[in-house]
Amino acid sequence: ETGVTQTPRHLVMGMTNKKSLKCEQHLGHNAMYWYKQSAKKPLELMFVYSLEERVENNSVPSRFSPECPNSSHLFLHLHTLQPEDSALYLCASSQALAGGADTQYFGPGTRLTVL
Amino acid sequence: GQNIDQPTEMTATEGAIVQINCTYQTSGFNGLFWYQQHAGEAPTFLSYNVLDGLEEKGRFSSFLSRSKGYSYLLLKELQMKDSASYLCAVLDSNYQLIWGAGTKLIIKP
Repeated sequence: ETGVTQTPRHLVMGMTNKKSLKCEQHLGHNAMYWYKQSAKKPLELMFVYSLEERVENNSVPSRFSPECPNSSHLFLHLHTLQPEDSALYLCASSQALAGGADTQYFGPGTRLTVL
Repeated sequence: GQNIDQPTEMTATEGAIVQINCTYQTSGFNGLFWYQQHAGEAPTFLSYNVLDGLEEKGRFSSFLSRSKGYSYLLLKELQMKDSASYLCAVLDSNYQLIWGAGTKLIIKP
């Protein structure tokens, strides 16, 4: 319904694994976002892409590596994660270029568990 | 620092009315959003307020007072499907969204 899909929906990985999260938006939007959502905490903005260029990186550890090959796709590459990285990772998109007062539309998220 | 406050959890009865409050302290203001998030699902947009006053949209209404740094979401004729978390978020002067931790609303029959 939201037009933003994420895969996988659930992921369990060890601390030495490498995995990738995928997000795709079918809304023709220009900006895409990665958020981390932990229980009872506010959404944490991780990365923002506008027209495929990264415009914001909120001091995210280097074990998280984003990639935006085009305006419809966004990846989050994960390596050597820590147990405290276990959370729901949400992708969102918006029509306006990042920096506008525009509604963000979210995907269903990937529930990540790091063992 | 920037801060959004909303109650952690609220309980209400089916058919009743509930008001979820949100207070904010941010560097600048370019609007306030309310989102609904069912467990395990995507947050979905409910409302956007940038001017003072009440915006009504069906059973849901959202109110804003910029001078008080205050908003509320009003849900009428509560239904069981309204059980969800409600997220308040403010656009600051840099157009960055500052999020509250969300209010979990539990509806009882």
